[in-house]
Amino acid sequence: EAGVVQSPRYKIIEKKQPVAFWCNPISGHNTLYWYRQNLGQGPELLIRYENEEAVDDSQLPKDRFSAERLKGVDSTLKIQPAELGDSAVYLCASSLEGGTGELFFGEGSRLTVL
Amino acid sequence: AQSVTQLGSHVSVSEGALVLLRCNYSSSVPPYLFWYVQYPNQGLQLLLKYTTGATLVKGINGFEAEFKKSETSFHLTKPSAHMSDAAEYFCAVSDQGNQFYFGTGTSLTVIP
Repeated sequence: EAGVVQSPRYKIIEKKQPVAFWCNPISGHNTLYWYRQNLGQGPELLIRYENEEAVDDSQLPKDRFSAERLKGVDSTLKIQPAELGDSAVYLCASSLEGGTGELFFGEGSRLTVL
Repeated sequence: AQSVTQLGSHVSVSEGALVLLRCNYSSSVPPYLFWYVQYPNQGLQLLLKYTTGATLVKGINGFEAEFKKSETSFHLTKPSAHMSDAAEYFCAVSDQGNQFYFGTGTSLTVIP
């Protein structure tokens, strides 16, 4: 069974440029999460989807960040324009419905903003 | 609200020695507790989890953790450290919904 797939693995951009990250969760997992992990820190939730509905986006900086999960399967996280402070690893995770289940993480997308 | 505190951002042990990584949590509801491991340039991988039932849970790679409600703790242990255990370890709590809260992590170094 394929795991959570993320792309790109690494991205280097100049500040003010746009960037997009893609995530394909494990087949059948209806809950999808985007986390941001700063260096030396734990993951922090940006947005959580139940199927195609964003049920928790309270921590998403909506002035520059956007996300979509149009068909309830794969998802895209976009930053426009990027700032120096956005340099981090963006992790996607998925799970089956219900909090008893574990989160399955992708390998992450490391963003460097110069 | 839920939160996690991991005591010690860096822990060093000798190869073959006991590994003890500390985690305390706060939760307004009975928590579900998790330990994840992260190797360099990789995502997080589940080591073990506690939801209900037996308070001593065993995970992969010889790790185990004990849920102590009275101490609001979920410390991770391994009797004998191996070089391959060097990694970042994260404790997480879930509120039985779909929200997960992670600690700031503990970096484990194993000295040969």
